[in-house]
Amino acid sequence: EVQLVESGGGLVQPGGSLRLSCAASGFTFSSYWMHWVRQAPGKGLVWVSRINSDGSSTNYADSVKGRFTISRDNAKNTLYLQMNSLRAEDTAVYYCAREGIAVAGINFDYWGQGTLVTVSS
Amino acid sequence: SYELTQPPSVSVSPGQTASITCSGDQLGDKYASWYQQRPGQSPVLVIYQDSKRPSGIPERFSGSNSGNTATLTISGTQAMDEADYYCQAWDSSTQGVFGGGTKLTVL
Repeated sequence: EVQLVESGGGLVQPGGSLRLSCAASGFTFSSYWMHWVRQAPGKGLVWVSRINSDGSSTNYADSVKGRFTISRDNAKNTLYLQMNSLRAEDTAVYYCAREGIAVAGINFDYWGQGTLVTVSS
Repeated sequence: SYELTQPPSVSVSPGQTASITCSGDQLGDKYASWYQQRPGQSPVLVIYQDSKRPSGIPERFSGSNSGNTATLTISGTQAMDEADYYCQAWDSSTQGVFGGGTKLTVL
């Protein structure tokens, strides 16, 4: 059974840093591209970042570029999101999601339960 | 930046057909996916590659994508289908995009 379990969320002051983790199990983690998606309270889904299977290629939403860093440790089956210079508007539930294998297009076939990040003084 | 537009809400009677649209410039040239999110839960993929259903998703869920509009259709809508639905596409090989979401109410 595929499982994605996020951790590391919490309350942080504006300008602070936080590192999220996503522990993967039930599949060959090193074969899949992975993503972070966030959802502000009462709002919609917003794509944040993705990383390829070996960690050599990354992409970011414009809103987090230069502040967030996605990485992975395939030996530990774990995905990370280092978040620096946090702002109030970064407050959200952060989900890790696995990129599904499809003939065409990009989809997210499995999601974690999410971890809440609150940026407030 | 690329944008996907969904109606904020759609209502349907039990047993009837619900259609949720997602509009974006030349969306038919990309591939659309759809996600269901029930209150307090994580999103679930219900349609990918415009019209394919993942294993375990009921046949009453179907999708299409042409021109500027992708459509999620739920036939024989059930009370358990009441949820938020999000469309998603990938823009210029580097950016993921979600629609704003549609709240489906089964009256």
